[in-house]
Amino acid sequence: QQQVKQSPQSLIVQKGGIPIINCAYENTAFDYFPWYQQFPGKGPALLIAIRPDVSEKKEGRFTISFNKSAKQFSLHIMDSQPGDSATYFCAAIAGGAQKLVFGQGTRLTINP
Amino acid sequence: GAVVSQHPSWVICKSGTSVKIECRSLDFQATTMFWYRQFPKQSLMLMATSNEGSKATYEQGVEKDKFLINHASLTLSTLTVTSAHPEDSSFYICSAWDGGAYGYTFGSGTRLTIV
Repeated sequence: QQQVKQSPQSLIVQKGGIPIINCAYENTAFDYFPWYQQFPGKGPALLIAIRPDVSEKKEGRFTISFNKSAKQFSLHIMDSQPGDSATYFCAAIAGGAQKLVFGQGTRLTINP
Repeated sequence: GAVVSQHPSWVICKSGTSVKIECRSLDFQATTMFWYRQFPKQSLMLMATSNEGSKATYEQGVEKDKFLINHASLTLSTLTVTSAHPEDSSFYICSAWDGGAYGYTFGSGTRLTIV
């Protein structure tokens, strides 16, 4: 019940396309859902996050869609660029200062 | 925004030695810090949660005597890999809870190689 399932494992998109990464969870106590971007040899960096009382959140080219009833959320990257090539992790947490539960990660490649 | 500094960024040690990794919150106080291990092409695996002034809480399967965690101040947590062996080689990442809008901030990671 603590798991967050992420798909796909890898994704290749042409520049300008809209990659979509999906995550699903079971634990209804989760109340904060961040997405992290990780480049090789670096730690994850917070990209965008959403709380379950909101169905969509946009920050620049990144959008989270959240479906509370289905217990699913997804990341969309608009006008994708080669510089967006990285590994993306969804995560979930139940309450502050608690441990993050990470998805398995998606290796995204944006071809020029 | 919140910044977490992790040092060193990479280290190579001989088998049998101990190595210490530092994690500092630079512009905020972190009562809770987390240590992760990441294998190539895999997700982050939580090793332990450290709270300032108290003993760390280790995840199941993580050897507390091998991975010593100290969180002596509100801005510093250390992970010491004792009597390291080649199988301990990995990418270690810390994170800190800033208690505010930024939530969790991660360090840049430490690539540990035991030869």
